[in-house]
Amino acid sequence: NAGVMQNPRHLVRRRGQEARLRCSPMKGHSHVYWYRQLPEEGLKFMVYLQKENIIDESGMPKERFSAEFPKEGPSILRIQQVVRGDSAAYFCASSPGMALYGYTFGSGTRLTVV
Amino acid sequence: GQQLNQSPQSMFIQEGEDVSMNCTSSSIFNTWLWYKQEPGEGPVLLIALYKAGELTSNGRLTAQFGITRKDSFLNISASIPSDVGIYFCAGQPSDGGSQGNLIFGKGTKLSVKP
Repeated sequence: NAGVMQNPRHLVRRRGQEARLRCSPMKGHSHVYWYRQLPEEGLKFMVYLQKENIIDESGMPKERFSAEFPKEGPSILRIQQVVRGDSAAYFCASSPGMALYGYTFGSGTRLTVV
Repeated sequence: GQQLNQSPQSMFIQEGEDVSMNCTSSSIFNTWLWYKQEPGEGPVLLIALYKAGELTSNGRLTAQFGITRKDSFLNISASIPSDVGIYFCAGQPSDGGSQGNLIFGKGTKLSVKP
C-alpha cells in the first residue's frame, strides 16, 4: 500500500536549467494535485489534473511552468529556465475521485535553485 | 485572493496541556480540513469537516466547522511530545474553484516541553 510517491526528494538546479518533478499517485487514484510551499508559509495550489486532462491550472504561473498526467506513468511538473524564486517544496497529492475527502500528500520535492 | 487567517502562529506548551488553534476567513467555505506537517514531510490529514456546526473527533483531536461557515477550530487535549509539528487549516471556498483548489492557512507551529 504505497502512498503518494514523489521523486526526487531533493533537486538542485542552476539558474536557467529545467526541473522535472515526478509524482506517482496512490494505487487506484486518478486525480492528482500539485501544491507549492515557500519557507514559513502554507501550501499554495498550482494545478489539478486527471489522467490526460488538466482540470484546473488557475494556480500555475503563466510562463515556464507546465504539468501533465499521461495515461501511463507518473504526473510530471516541469519548470523551465528556473530562477531563484522557484526554490520551494513542491507537494503532490492524489485522490480516488471527485469528492473532496482530503487528499493524501506525498513527502514533497525540495527544489533549490543556485 | 481568498485567505485563511490562522492563529496563533506558534505555541510553546507543557506536556499534558490542552491546545486550541483556529482559522477564520472573510468568505464562506464548503469544507474545512486540518493537517499536520512534520519537518521534511508532506501534510497529513487529521480531520475533515463538511457541514456547518459539525464537531468531529480523532483521538485526542477535536475540530469544529463554524456555524457561519467562516471559521473552524482544532483542539488537542493532553498534549504529548509527538504532537510537535505545524498544524494547517485548509478549506474549499464556496464561491468557485475546482475541488482541487484548497486554500491553506500559514500554520500554527506547536512545540511541546516534556
